Amino acid sequence: GAVVSQHPSRVICKSGTSVKIECRSLDFQATTMFWYRQFPKQSLMLMATSNEGSKATYEQGVEKDKFLINHASLTLSTLTVTSAHPEDSSFYICSADGTLGGYTFGSGTRLTVV
Amino acid sequence: GENVEQHPSTLSVQEGDSAVIKCTYSDSASNYFPWYKQELGKRPQLIIDIRSNVGEKKDQRIAVTLNKTAKHFSLHITETQPEDSAVYFCAASFSISGNQFYFGTGTSLTVIP
Repeated sequence: GAVVSQHPSRVICKSGTSVKIECRSLDFQATTMFWYRQFPKQSLMLMATSNEGSKATYEQGVEKDKFLINHASLTLSTLTVTSAHPEDSSFYICSADGTLGGYTFGSGTRLTVV
Repeated sequence: GENVEQHPSTLSVQEGDSAVIKCTYSDSASNYFPWYKQELGKRPQLIIDIRSNVGEKKDQRIAVTLNKTAKHFSLHITETQPEDSAVYFCAASFSISGNQFYFGTGTSLTVIP
């Protein structure tokens, strides 16, 4: 089945630093990847849609200069949280089209900004 | 845009009983409705899905029903087991691929042994 690998699974960083999260589709090409954010005990909130070779489309209220998304190839999309602050601490998860239809989610990244 | 509402937010059932989770959506153009199970700190796992040309789908102990006219769909889990305890999310999309999902707010299901 379709597999999306997401790294790192956990990261702790100091306030003001940047963190890069990677999502790779291992056995299929993902022309579209989606990035979600999930606060504890809350639903997944779509942050942006990442299309290979073009600029990401951000949801209303998501700062594109803070959450940089790059989808340089059909198998890799990255989310960089720039100048992270404690309020950016969250669970970030990507998803991509699966070969059998529907979406495959990455394993998620728990970001803690101290 | 699409708005998905999900109820209840928490649900406790005795082992062996049934559990029902309901969702409504607002955009009649939505035509793909997956359900995800998410255990604490893990990725959501697709457990069942339904397309708008189908009214009901069943997979062993899990079933989903869809009422397009009323714009609501439900997840039914029968003969619940402790390992069914998790957070369940419904979602709506305009297609099975290429479009984002709009998620419900989640239901925390606890199955009491």
